[in-house]
Amino acid sequence: SQQGEEDPQALSIQEGENATMNCSYKTSINNLQWYRQNSGRGLVHLILIRSNEREKHSGRLRVTLDTSKKSSSLLITASRAADTASYFCATDELGNQGGKLIFGQGTELSVKP
Amino acid sequence: DSGVTQTPKHLITATGQRVTLRCSPRSGDLSVYWYQQSLDQGLQFLIQYYNGEERAKGNILERFSAQQFPDLHSELNLSSLELGDSALYFCASSNRDEQFFGPGTRLTVL
Repeated sequence: SQQGEEDPQALSIQEGENATMNCSYKTSINNLQWYRQNSGRGLVHLILIRSNEREKHSGRLRVTLDTSKKSSSLLITASRAADTASYFCATDELGNQGGKLIFGQGTELSVKP
Repeated sequence: DSGVTQTPKHLITATGQRVTLRCSPRSGDLSVYWYQQSLDQGLQFLIQYYNGEERAKGNILERFSAQQFPDLHSELNLSSLELGDSALYFCASSNRDEQFFGPGTRLTVL
């Protein structure tokens, strides 16, 4: 079953623009993680935000978490063609034994040079 | 490179057959997770092992089984394969909260 729903499903922007992707989830969580996947290849871990954190930065990435709204957003600033990929949010549910992740359907980002 | 390795990269087989996918976790990681990615179901958690013991189970079919060996590598066994089992199978490992994924095995069932 899918925990997260991502919005938009697809996003097309020009190089240099910012890209914002949103993720909503259904249950209380321990943490939320964002991953990138290039065209059917492996998932690359981008950033993890814990339930008691509201915002986190890593390079050009900014992630926010609003546990009251059960939502998170990923902002990529000054995007590059190399950022073209699918982006997934994944949640580690509260009370979860073991840390399994529940993934959203993903946002397909296309950055045009 | 995440440090997680998976073999083989590609596997093409026929319905009714059995295959074994192999995963070696990052050095020092005790947890191994298996996920399936298909077009219709997205990324689905299958099963998790921690230091040789099964820790959590997801939507894993009875035809599928897994194990983790004393050297911490893991194998996912898929039997009586059906067309619908065609998918990307990922293994991930973790030591704390972040999971690091391998490159996946693409299984095609003809």
